[in-house]
Amino acid sequence: TQLLEQSPQFLSIQEGENLTVYCNSSSVFSSLQWYRQEPGEGPVLLVTVVTGGEVKKLKRLTFQFGDARKDSSLHITAAQPGDTGLYLCAPRKGVDSNYQLIWGAGTKLIIKP
Amino acid sequence: EAQVTQNPRYLITVTGKKLTVTCSQNMNHEYMSWYRQDPGLGLRQIYYSMNVEVTDKGDVPEGYKVSRKEKRNFPLILESPSPNQTSLYFCASSLSGPRRDTEAFFGQGTRLTVV
Repeated sequence: TQLLEQSPQFLSIQEGENLTVYCNSSSVFSSLQWYRQEPGEGPVLLVTVVTGGEVKKLKRLTFQFGDARKDSSLHITAAQPGDTGLYLCAPRKGVDSNYQLIWGAGTKLIIKP
Repeated sequence: EAQVTQNPRYLITVTGKKLTVTCSQNMNHEYMSWYRQDPGLGLRQIYYSMNVEVTDKGDVPEGYKVSRKEKRNFPLILESPSPNQTSLYFCASSLSGPRRDTEAFFGQGTRLTVV
């Protein structure tokens, strides 16, 4: 059974603060995606990381893939109310042309004005 | 506009009354899938389809059926809904399913309540 843990499950902070959320597993992944889901909507892709240690930036969001490709983090600098949403970690496991997508339960983030 | 369209967005039904949730994508994607999302459990895959006439079970297929007669449509059928199928359902599509950098595009969701 695949164990994928996202932490924290819930985070509520003031606008302007920094935060980091985590996605952890004991398994090695081929790649990992982060999606954001806003209330009443489906998830939308933010980033894909493929290489161990890879860091990608999307404006105020910084994504890192662990060196061993077992974990990932998402850091938000100076959070804004528009960052509110459910952040889902979705790694892929497998080889060749058969990469299976696995979903975490998500971190629910609320940014208060 | 590239999109995945689900209907209906909201549905309340009674136990045992057959229902269908439709899903259509306009991106010519080969891969389509259905998920249910429940609090604390994340997205769980119900069924997926690699292409027309090719479907397979996901992690939680019991009580559901699907069909893929055309590339753009992938309906989800509940032959005899039960209260434990009350959930938020998402249809997703991607250019090809099992590549490691494939982006999944999601519909807006269908909130189903079975009483």
